[in-house]
Amino acid sequence: AQTVTQSQPEMSVQEAETVTLSCTYDTSESDYYLFWYKQPPSRQMILVIRQEAYKQQNATENRFSVNFQKAAKSFSLKISDSQLGDAAMYFCAYRSALISNFGNEKLTFGTGTRLTIIP
Amino acid sequence: DGGITQSPKYLFRKEGQNVTLSCEQNLNHDAMYWYRQDPGQGLRLIYYSQIVNDFQKGDIAEGYSVSREKKESFPLTVTSAQKNPTAFYLCASSLAVVQETQYFGPGTRLLVL
Repeated sequence: AQTVTQSQPEMSVQEAETVTLSCTYDTSESDYYLFWYKQPPSRQMILVIRQEAYKQQNATENRFSVNFQKAAKSFSLKISDSQLGDAAMYFCAYRSALISNFGNEKLTFGTGTRLTIIP
Repeated sequence: DGGITQSPKYLFRKEGQNVTLSCEQNLNHDAMYWYRQDPGQGLRLIYYSQIVNDFQKGDIAEGYSVSREKKESFPLTVTSAQKNPTAFYLCASSLAVVQETQYFGPGTRLLVL
């Protein structure tokens, strides 16, 4: 079974600075997807960024980028120019690409990192 | 607006009572999912459905039931057999099982009185 670990329960960053959230995962599969979701106080899960394991290029969405290290099974999220609206819980998630087996459709989540933005 | 709606936002359950959480989507997605979130934990899969009239158990299906009579709707019933139902419940959908990105609704907070 796959596992996702987020070792930083809480992080804080000054507004306009850069912060990196860590995520590691364990899998025996070679093809999979990785995601970062944001959960603000409203508690709705919002997709921030996704990465396909077969792509070597790191995904980027505006101020959000990832550092995907497949061999190390590491998938960190970098937030540049942090804004007050970035304050939220951030969850790393894994999804198998093997759709032929029931149960692979699920997302496996880490326990989250609470990010605080200091004005 | 296209999206996923969940109702109610808050739900109270008495001991021994069954309650049903609603999830509706107008994204024309085939696959739908129910997750449970407990404090300090990530989300765990309860049930999922790939197509109408078909659904599969997830990791923590005991004490829950679902139906998928329409493509747009995937209601979750929390039965009296679920001994610890207090949690935040999130519904999600994806275009198809092959479409790996899941999009989430706003959630329902269930409290046991």
